[in-house]
Amino acid sequence: GENVEQHPSTLSVQEGDSAVIKCTYSDSASNYFPWYKQELGKRPQLIIDIRSNVGEKKDQRIAVTLNKTAKHFSLHITETQPEDSAVYFCAAPAGNTPLVFGKGTRLSVIA
Amino acid sequence: GAVVSQHPSRVICKSGTSVKIECRSLDFQATTMFWYRQFPKKSLMLMATSNEGSKATYEQGVEKDKFLINHASLTLSTLTVTSAHPEDSSFYICSADRVGTEAFFGQGTRLTVV
Repeated sequence: GENVEQHPSTLSVQEGDSAVIKCTYSDSASNYFPWYKQELGKRPQLIIDIRSNVGEKKDQRIAVTLNKTAKHFSLHITETQPEDSAVYFCAAPAGNTPLVFGKGTRLSVIA
Repeated sequence: GAVVSQHPSRVICKSGTSVKIECRSLDFQATTMFWYRQFPKKSLMLMATSNEGSKATYEQGVEKDKFLINHASLTLSTLTVTSAHPEDSSFYICSADRVGTEAFFGQGTRLTVV
């Protein structure tokens, strides 16, 4: 089955700096890669996703890159703000099974 | 995006009692829903897959008799924690997703067993 590894587990950045979170997956058939942001005590919210037919997708300060050959994808947040502080999860599906989530990255943006 | 509603958001119960959590997909029919458990500062752990009109599929290590799942309609799945104990205290969250697309999560339920 699918195995998703996420790094780092914690990340602290100064406000205005960039943050990068990386994930690897094992199932070469996976074709959809979402990123979720979860604030304390709340549900995960989709912030960006990418399908395997593109290598990069950007939405304002957030971007995701995908390298299918190496089976890894990354989340990039530029010009970080305190409200970006949260736990971020990557995920990947495996065939018809539900999404398999990474272990999460706790991002702290220091003002 | 699609809306999934989970209820209750918080529940405190006495040890030995049972608690039912509901998960509803409000604007699409979900033949499959998923139940996760999340420990503090940890990732989402899939507990079981809820299948409409048939038995749920449980992940390894999850007790079927402890966590009863019923998916009676295309818009409602329920998770019942039976004979709850303090170690069952956790954040439980459901999702409904279409294959190959994003998961839509409920608000989550924080269960505290005292």
